Amino acid sequence: AQRVTQPEKLLSVFKGAPVELKCNYSYSGSPELFWYVQYSRQRLQLLLRHISRESIKGFTADLNKGETSFHLKKPFAQEEDSAMYYCALHNAGNMLTFGGGTRLMVKP
Amino acid sequence: GAGVSQSPSNKVTEKGKDVELRCDPISGHTALYWYRQSLGQGLEFLIYFQGNSAPDKSGLPSDRFSAERTGGSVSTLTIQRTQQEDSAVYLCASSLFRGRNSPLHFGNGTRLTVT
Repeated sequence: AQRVTQPEKLLSVFKGAPVELKCNYSYSGSPELFWYVQYSRQRLQLLLRHISRESIKGFTADLNKGETSFHLKKPFAQEEDSAMYYCALHNAGNMLTFGGGTRLMVKP
Repeated sequence: GAGVSQSPSNKVTEKGKDVELRCDPISGHTALYWYRQSLGQGLEFLIYFQGNSAPDKSGLPSDRFSAERTGGSVSTLTIQRTQQEDSAVYLCASSLFRGRNSPLHFGNGTRLTVT
């Protein structure tokens, strides 16, 4: 069985501070990991995926197979980053499993 | 359309009534998913369609829940004899094809309140 764990339900930081949203997974195969984001009153949308190795809105995430983690990081948080963030794992059978989500609040 | 469309956006129903939720995926998207988003519970997988067939129904919480998809497009999620614990936001998503490199595009959801 696969599982995605986001240990923090709420993360509060000040503007300009670094932020790291934690995500750990368990899956016996080769995982495909994603981060989705939901801003206030907007639909859930893809933020980034590990295969792209891209930086979106200043966010990056590195897949660490040894630690089975896919933490989302940003060096300097902005107020507009305040949102709900979900880590997700896509297995070979095309099932996408989401973590419980972390609400990020960036204070001015 | 421009995105995944769900209707109604809000639904208030009395306990014991049946409800039907509708999802219009992005045109041409072959895969369609239903998720449930409850306060403090994250996103719970319900069912997945590839075309009109549902290879994975493992997430449906009980036999009161059913879903169908016709014409490889519109999908409906039906909840019979609703209970208060069914109150949640029901999200639909579609993706271009079946595969791990095809990201999901979500609708705005239907907020269901069972009184």
